[in-house]
Amino acid sequence: DQQVKQNSPSLSVQEGRISILNCDYTNSMFDYFLWYKKYPAEGPTFLISISSIKDKNEDGRFTVFLNKSAKHLSLHIVPSQPGDSAVYFCAASPAGGTSYGKLTFGQGTILTVHP
Amino acid sequence: SAVISQKPSRDICQRGTSLTIQCQVDSQVTMMFWYRQQPGQSLTLIATANQGSEATYESGFVIDKFPISRPNLTFSTLTVSNMSPEDSSIYLCSVEGRGAQYFGPGTRLTVL
Repeated sequence: DQQVKQNSPSLSVQEGRISILNCDYTNSMFDYFLWYKKYPAEGPTFLISISSIKDKNEDGRFTVFLNKSAKHLSLHIVPSQPGDSAVYFCAASPAGGTSYGKLTFGQGTILTVHP
Repeated sequence: SAVISQKPSRDICQRGTSLTIQCQVDSQVTMMFWYRQQPGQSLTLIATANQGSEATYESGFVIDKFPISRPNLTFSTLTVSNMSPEDSSIYLCSVEGRGAQYFGPGTRLTVL
């Protein structure tokens, strides 16, 4: 049972345009959501997070939107740069999870940003 | 965020043998986590390791197969025992941090 789903295996975007990566979840107990970026041969790098009490969080070029009623979140990257090309994972943590433990990850979306 | 290192970075092992993976953090942390990423799959939590207590394993993972040690607040090991080709994966440790978990570079294990 895939509790966190990223239905798009890949996304291709032109440099300077917006990249939108989507994530859906099924477990109502999830309360905290995170996005990670992963390059080959490296561990995932934390990008941005959002708590369920918010519907938007912004950090530079990265914005995460949360629609709790739809159990959907998205990551917007504006403007996209070739260095953003990587695999992006969304992850979710249950309410009351200590230290954001027990992260459940989606399958990942491969983002390619073309110059 | 903490600086996390793992050893070895990669290894090729024979079926039936065991491999111990080390995770070192440059600061003291209460909780450390071990994940597995099988080829083409997402990251799956194996267990949570607290210093001074036994690790807590997730469903589908058992201590006999994946024994974990946590001797102090900056170090942990994960052993993959009696390996089979199905254990070929990337194994990652992570630590709690400000607003997120932070991951090491991973250990790429291939079992022949």
